[in-house]
Amino acid sequence: TQLLEQSPQFLSIQEGENLTVYCNSSSVFSSLQWYRQEPGEGPVLLVTVVTGGEVKKLKRLTFQFGDARKDSSLHITAAQPGDTGLYLCAGAGTNDYKLSFGAGTTVTVRA
Amino acid sequence: KAGVTQTPRYLIKTRGQQVTLSCSPISGHRSVSWYQQTPGQGLQFLFEYFSETQRNKGNFPGRFSGRQFSNSRSEMNVSTLELGDSALYLCASSGLAGGPGELFFGEGSRLTVL
Repeated sequence: TQLLEQSPQFLSIQEGENLTVYCNSSSVFSSLQWYRQEPGEGPVLLVTVVTGGEVKKLKRLTFQFGDARKDSSLHITAAQPGDTGLYLCAGAGTNDYKLSFGAGTTVTVRA
Repeated sequence: KAGVTQTPRYLIKTRGQQVTLSCSPISGHRSVSWYQQTPGQGLQFLFEYFSETQRNKGNFPGRFSGRQFSNSRSEMNVSTLELGDSALYLCASSGLAGGPGELFFGEGSRLTVL
């Protein structure tokens, strides 16, 4: 079983639409990261959130960390084909040096 | 600044064989982590090394092992390969000693076990 549950598993939308990806856990994390992975490449960091309730904006992407530091969401406004990829959330434990990843959400934005 | 380099990129092995994968981290990074990625399980943590010491280990059998050299380069070895070991193996380096900070991933080594 995954420590971090991501939903939905797959998402296919038309260019210009909005989308939200969720990352949930029963565990508390010291920080949470979001990565995007494109075919044939390794994941690339998009953002790190540290404080409960924190909201970070990166152009059309908005990231939120839950108040209890157990969940997070990624919202994309006016999605573009370039947003297509596998979105992964990863939580850092409070006492160790590893990141636990969710299974990912595959986002496809159709032109 | 050169990124994380993994070799080989692709390899095919048969059951029972063993395999060694190599990872060169970003210059100056002393932490190297290894992950196994499969469509069904996502990224599963294998182990993390810092300054030649294994600091953390995931829930994989003893057939999976790794090491880190004094120049921070790392290798992982899988012995007695099984069909289920087919996966993309990703290496990531980090520049933070107190980790985990941002992970910089390589492109991965795709292993197919026949």
